[in-house]
Amino acid sequence: SYVLTQPPSVSVAPGQTARIACGGISFGTKSVHWYQQKSGQAPVLVVYDVSDRPSGIPERFSGSNSGNTAALTISRVEAGDEADYYCQVWDDSSDHPVFGGGTKLTVL
Amino acid sequence: QLQLQESGPGLVKPSETLSLTCSVSGGSISTYSFYWGWLRQPPGKGLEWIGSIYYSGNTYYNPSLKSRVTISVDTSKNQFSLNMNSMTAADTAMYFCARHGAGWPRERFWYFDLWGLGTLVTVSS
Repeated sequence: SYVLTQPPSVSVAPGQTARIACGGISFGTKSVHWYQQKSGQAPVLVVYDVSDRPSGIPERFSGSNSGNTAALTISRVEAGDEADYYCQVWDDSSDHPVFGGGTKLTVL
Repeated sequence: QLQLQESGPGLVKPSETLSLTCSVSGGSISTYSFYWGWLRQPPGKGLEWIGSIYYSGNTYYNPSLKSRVTISVDTSKNQFSLNMNSMTAADTAMYFCARHGAGWPRERFWYFDLWGLGTLVTVSS
């Protein structure tokens, strides 16, 4: 079954761009979904199907796939973006959704 | 707007069975468009999908938990439930209910767009 790998932490200054990577499989055209989880709260979907955003999610959040890496990019980072971020895909080999281990985004 | 809320005991003894319910308000659970799922998150760790159910009763389970888990739906009460037996300390976690799409291919539609607040379950004697 799939094992998705994410860096444990990413730090960025306010106003800069944060890139959170997700690896471990060949993403190709595979759909990837991303969640934001602030401390003590439930996860919130921020990007689905690689690059689509749910209603209410700022355009600053974008997603991409390239080869063996998927990425969530947050432009013009704000203090309120500080959270854990998880990638998720459908595991074809074992027929269920799987999550990456999560990346803690710190806004300096 | 649609909301999900988990309920159940916060403390379970080792070897006992956990029973949680997710109540859906602001809309019907009997929709063609969505599945209703359970996920969990041990303290300080990542997310794990447990299983999902359609309003008709069709279920999917995480292979690693399948032998211990039963998910059921009660459309008359607009709720669905999780039973997990043989609980151990390793099952201590925040348990969330959530909604995901029912479309095909599943890789495009199985994302969780609405979540409950979660309920903390501790396994301890």
